[in-house]
Amino acid sequence: AQKITQTQPGMFVQEKEAVTLDCTYDTSDQSYGLFWYKQPSSGEMIFLIYQGSYDEQNATEGRYSLNFQKARKSANLVISASQLGDSAMYFCAMSREDSNYQLIWGAGTKLIIKP
Amino acid sequence: DTAVSQTPKYLVTQMGNDKSIKCEQNLGHDTMYWYKQDSKKFLKIMFSYNNKELIINETVPNRFSPKSPDKAHLNLHINSLELGDSAVYFCASSPRGLGYNEQFFGPGTRLTVL
Repeated sequence: AQKITQTQPGMFVQEKEAVTLDCTYDTSDQSYGLFWYKQPSSGEMIFLIYQGSYDEQNATEGRYSLNFQKARKSANLVISASQLGDSAMYFCAMSREDSNYQLIWGAGTKLIIKP
Repeated sequence: DTAVSQTPKYLVTQMGNDKSIKCEQNLGHDTMYWYKQDSKKFLKIMFSYNNKELIINETVPNRFSPKSPDKAHLNLHINSLELGDSAVYFCASSPRGLGYNEQFFGPGTRLTVL
């Protein structure tokens, strides 16, 4: 079965430090997509970044980058220069063609940025 | 302009009642979804529609019925509400039909069943 694992239920990080949120996935597919979403305490889900399995370069979006290691089946999110507003739940998700591209979600990591 | 909107934002009701949650997207997207997020924050897909056609129907009770009157709307009707239905329900949409597309989420509807 396809699975997304986020091993860090919670993390505390000092403001301005970089933070890495772990995500590993399990699939035998060659073609898939990987996503990260942010859910602040206000509850909305915000798309952050996408990585396709055939993309040769790691995706970057502003302070967010995705450390994609295909052989290890990991897709860690790196946030550089963390800010207080980065405090939120972060979800990793995977999309597969065989399942009509529906997203399979990890359990999330609660990130708290300390001033 | 709101991209994906849901109404109501909060819904408190008694067990056994029937309720609906409405979702509209003004992004011109082809695909819409309903998710349930439980108290442990776990997100579970419930339904997905592509151009008004049901394409994903996960194992949810028959009491839940989605209705898509047009491409921009996907409403969720719940019959005979139970305590375990209490959760946050998210509507989402994605562009370009099926594919590796990011999903745009509505603000969520917090349903509390008493």
